Amino acid sequence: EAGVAQSPRYKIIEKRQSVAFWCNPISGHATLYWYQQILGQGPKLLIQFQNNGVVDDSQLPKDRFSAERLKGVDSTLKIQPAKLEDSAVYLCASSPRTGRGYTFGSGTRLTVV
Amino acid sequence: AQRVTQPEKLLSVFKGAPVELKCNYSYSGSPELFWYVQYSRQRLQLLLRHISRESIKGFTADLNKGETSFHLKKPFAQEEDSAMYYCALMGGGSNYKLTFGKGTLLTVNP
Repeated sequence: EAGVAQSPRYKIIEKRQSVAFWCNPISGHATLYWYQQILGQGPKLLIQFQNNGVVDDSQLPKDRFSAERLKGVDSTLKIQPAKLEDSAVYLCASSPRTGRGYTFGSGTRLTVV
Repeated sequence: AQRVTQPEKLLSVFKGAPVELKCNYSYSGSPELFWYVQYSRQRLQLLLRHISRESIKGFTADLNKGETSFHLKKPFAQEEDSAMYYCALMGGGSNYKLTFGKGTLLTVNP
């Protein structure tokens, strides 16, 4: 079974620039999650999709972060404009509808300079 | 609110010694508890969950609802156990959000 695919693996941008991350979940997984992991901390949920609808985006900084999941499959997470404190690893995960079988991608390491 | 506390950022033991990674949680209902592990340069992966009550790679964890703890234990540590370990909680309902602790870096010395 193919895992959760994410790209790019690394990204370095200057503050105030824009950036986008892409995630392809495991085939058939209805639920998709984006987590932010700042150095020295555990992952924190930014947004959760069930198919193409948003279930929870309470911790997403909506003034600069946006995410979409077109057709209930792939997802993109965008930051516009980026701040220094956005430097982190952005993890995508997917699970079947019941929440069992959570699988994480390798993540995208973002550095904002 | 859901909260997971891992009091030790770093834990260093010698090969063959017992190891215990502590995890305490705060949640008003009946949560599911997990341990995730991240080896160097690898993705985060599930180690074990309290519901399955299984032992993975010699690790066990018992949910103690009275003390709201879910400590991870292994009687004899191996060098390949060196990794970052995260305790995580999933609340009830249809929101399958995981709340993670800050993690404990385990180093097993030869």
